[in-house]
Amino acid sequence: GQNIDQPTEMTATEGAIVQINCTYQTSGFNGLFWYQQHAGEAPTFLSYNVLDGLEEKGRFSSFLSRSKGYSYLLLKELQMKDSASYLCASMDSNYQLIWGAGTKLIIKP
Amino acid sequence: NAGVTQTPKFRILKIGQSMTLQCTQDMNHNYMYWYRQDPGMGLKLIYYSVGAGITDKGEVPNGYNVSRSTTEDFPLRLELAAPSQTSVYFCASSPGETGELFFGEGSRLTVL
Repeated sequence: GQNIDQPTEMTATEGAIVQINCTYQTSGFNGLFWYQQHAGEAPTFLSYNVLDGLEEKGRFSSFLSRSKGYSYLLLKELQMKDSASYLCASMDSNYQLIWGAGTKLIIKP
Repeated sequence: NAGVTQTPKFRILKIGQSMTLQCTQDMNHNYMYWYRQDPGMGLKLIYYSVGAGITDKGEVPNGYNVSRSTTEDFPLRLELAAPSQTSVYFCASSPGETGELFFGEGSRLTVL
């Protein structure tokens, strides 16, 4: 079967660094995606990895290990506005996104 | 550029009623999707379309229907609403099989 696992909730402090992990198991693999979703709003695209390694985009970085079926999203210099759910999704062999349930990130001052 | 626009934002239906969720995009994207999002669950694909005149079932199509007569519009029809269809529905579009989806603001549907 196809499965995406990520922690349900995490808490971090403003100004700190947090890493959100995601493990995936899909029929085929065409990329790993991270989306941000603020409460009551639509998901918005954050990052995409298809090759192993780290992709950096400002305060956000995403890492992929295809052999381990593992990715993480790293958020640096946390700000209160980073409080949101972070959705991990793997694109399968049919180019369909399989979504995790999301990790709710709570930032405390 | 409005992006992806969904209406209505909120709706309460009685069991057995029917309704259509409207979705339109102005980015000339070929691919369009309908997802539902339930608490504690990942987004589930209901239907998708790779272009005008072409639609395909996703993971959870039962109880829903779609049409795609134009590139811009992708309405989702609920026939004989059931409490299990209480959810938040998102329409999304993408230029291709890129995985970078552009979402509408969502439609919160309650069936009582």
